[in-house]
Amino acid sequence: GQNIDQPTEMTATEGAIVQINCTYQTSGFNGLFWYQQHAGEAPTFLSYNVLDGLEEKGRFSSFLSRSKGYSYLLLKELQMKDSASYLCAVRANMDSNYQLIWGAGTKLIIKP
Amino acid sequence: EAQVTQNPRYLITVTGKKLTVTCSQNMNHEYMSWYRQDPGLGLRQIYYSMNVEVTDKGDVPEGYKVSRKEKRNFPLILESPSPNQTSLYFCASSPRQGYPYEQYFGPGTRLTVT
Repeated sequence: GQNIDQPTEMTATEGAIVQINCTYQTSGFNGLFWYQQHAGEAPTFLSYNVLDGLEEKGRFSSFLSRSKGYSYLLLKELQMKDSASYLCAVRANMDSNYQLIWGAGTKLIIKP
Repeated sequence: EAQVTQNPRYLITVTGKKLTVTCSQNMNHEYMSWYRQDPGLGLRQIYYSMNVEVTDKGDVPEGYKVSRKEKRNFPLILESPSPNQTSLYFCASSPRQGYPYEQYFGPGTRLTVT
């Protein structure tokens, strides 16, 4: 079956670095997305990985290992506004259609 | 401004009273989708549409209907709402389904069915 696992909640300190992990088991893997969602708001796109390796975008980086079914989102120089949920989503090719399979999200709490 | 809009943003209704949640995008996107989000379950897809007059079921379509008569609009219809449809609903769109485009989400509709 299709499955995505993320930690439910993490806590980090302002100015520090945090790594949010995502593991997946899917068939027809065709890319992995990370989204940020503030409480009560819509998800917004952060990053996309389809090949192995690290993608860096400012304070945020995302890593993918397809052989291990593993990704992480790295947030540096944490700010209070980074308090949000982070959603991992895998795009899978199923029956000639591309579908997004979503993890339940990781709630990140930033403390001063 | 490029955006996805949803209406209403908040709705409290009673069991069995038909309702429609509208969704509109101004980006000429082909692909549109409806999700519901419940605590601890993440986003679950209800229905999606790859283009005008082309719709298909997602993971949790029971109790919902959709239509795609125009490219920009993708309304979600609950013919006879029940309390288990109380949830936060998001509409999303992307240029096409088969490419690595990210999805753009509407602001959400919080629905309570009593």
